[in-house]
Amino acid sequence: GQQVMQIPQYQHVQEGEDFTTYCNSSTTLSNIQWYKQRPGGHPVFLIQLVKSGEVKKQKRLTFQFGEAKKNSSLHITATQTTDVGTYFCAGITSYGKLTFGQGTILTVHP
Amino acid sequence: DADVTQTPRNRITKTGKRIMLECSQTKGHDRMYWYRQDPGLGLQLIYYSFDVKDINKGEISDGYSVSRQAQAKFSLSLESAIPNQTALYFCATAVRGRPDTQYFGPGTRLTVL
Repeated sequence: GQQVMQIPQYQHVQEGEDFTTYCNSSTTLSNIQWYKQRPGGHPVFLIQLVKSGEVKKQKRLTFQFGEAKKNSSLHITATQTTDVGTYFCAGITSYGKLTFGQGTILTVHP
Repeated sequence: DADVTQTPRNRITKTGKRIMLECSQTKGHDRMYWYRQDPGLGLQLIYYSFDVKDINKGEISDGYSVSRQAQAKFSLSLESAIPNQTALYFCATAVRGRPDTQYFGPGTRLTVL
C-alpha cells in the first residue's frame, strides 16, 4: 500500500535557526498537503501543492513539491518560538486516497 | 476549529468496556473521518464516510465501528476497549468537490486501563 515517510521525527533548533522537514512517498502523488499541529491542539491545514516542481511561500515557510511528485519539503527560515509543534505532510493519490506522514516534532529553544 | 466538535474531550475507561466517541459538525460537509494519533505514528485512518449511506474502513478499523447518524454526526465505537486503544482520536470533515483538505475537531484523549 501507499506509504508516506517523513523525516526527521524530531528536530530541536535554537530560535533564529532554519528548519526543514522532508516527506517521501512510495508512489507518485496527485497532490501533497501540509498541516501543523500545535502542542495540545489539532492538525490545521497549511497548504496544498499540486504541480510538479511547485514552490509556494507563506511568510517564513517555503513548501516544495518534487519534480517526480513523490517528495516534498517544508522549510522554515529563522524559526520563532511560535513555530513549535508537529508538522505533517499528507500525500494524495490520483484516486483520492490521503495518507499522512508520521510528522516532525519541532522544538524551538529561545 | 469550532465548527467540528468532539465529545468527550477526555475519557478514562477500563478494559472490556464499550465506549462511544461522538463528532458533530456545522460546516455542512458531507465527508467525515475518524483518525487515531499515536506518538511517532502520525495520523492513522480508522473509518471514513462520504455520506450517510456510505461507510468505509480505513487502515486500522479492527476493534472499531462507526455510525453516521446524520450528515452532521459521525460516531466511533470501541465495542470492547483494550489498553492498546489508548490514543488521541480526531474527527475530521471535508467537502465534496474538494475532498482533500481536512478540517479537524479538537480531539478526544482516550485512556484504557
